[in-house]
Amino acid sequence: ETGVTQSPTHLIKTRGQQVTLRCSSQSGHNTVSWYQQALGQGPQFIFQYYREEENGRGNFPPRFSGLQFPNYSSELNVNALELDDSALYLCASSMQETQYFGPGTRLLVL
Amino acid sequence: RKEVEQDPGPFNVPEGATVAFNCTYSNSASQSFFWYRQDCRKEPKLLMSVYSSGNEDGRFTAQLNRASQYISLLIRDSKLSDSATYLCVVNDRTGGSYIPTFGRGTSLIVHP
Repeated sequence: ETGVTQSPTHLIKTRGQQVTLRCSSQSGHNTVSWYQQALGQGPQFIFQYYREEENGRGNFPPRFSGLQFPNYSSELNVNALELDDSALYLCASSMQETQYFGPGTRLLVL
Repeated sequence: RKEVEQDPGPFNVPEGATVAFNCTYSNSASQSFFWYRQDCRKEPKLLMSVYSSGNEDGRFTAQLNRASQYISLLIRDSKLSDSATYLCVVNDRTGGSYIPTFGRGTSLIVHP
């Protein structure tokens, strides 16, 4: 196991609601990246946090936001949920180049 | 926009076969390269890093060709348990860390 944990494992929301997903990084890892993976697609990079600062962002709207805490755990917040936000949300922690993934949160928006 | 392209497959091969996947990337300044394996409804797991000198781990061999901007993965003597989606990943350095771009994955089905 990678030591990266995510909660919750599954979530059902309705359009317009807000959601917060959580990720605990592997011990010693100072970088957390978040991804959205739709069925049949590769993980799409949302953003990355390095030492509590956003370090890079993919092509996602501002309603996708995040935080990293001093213990390097992280949150992904999504406001005004849309049907297309239904996906597997993955976080990955890293110290250098290699990413280690958590099991993901499966979000269904109805 | 930085692109990482993979043939989605599926590659349908018998046990014992040798199969090869390629992945092309658009950013010539990309720093590091990896292959991940993803089983159905699971998270991606690191399979191996990819170097210009080649990298072999048992039945798996990965290769990087910087001049042509592609990476490859060769699986020899395929097993049923190799059935999965194989994702290539290209890292670009920014500040103190690396931003990865994933391909969409290549599906492998190994049948008896």
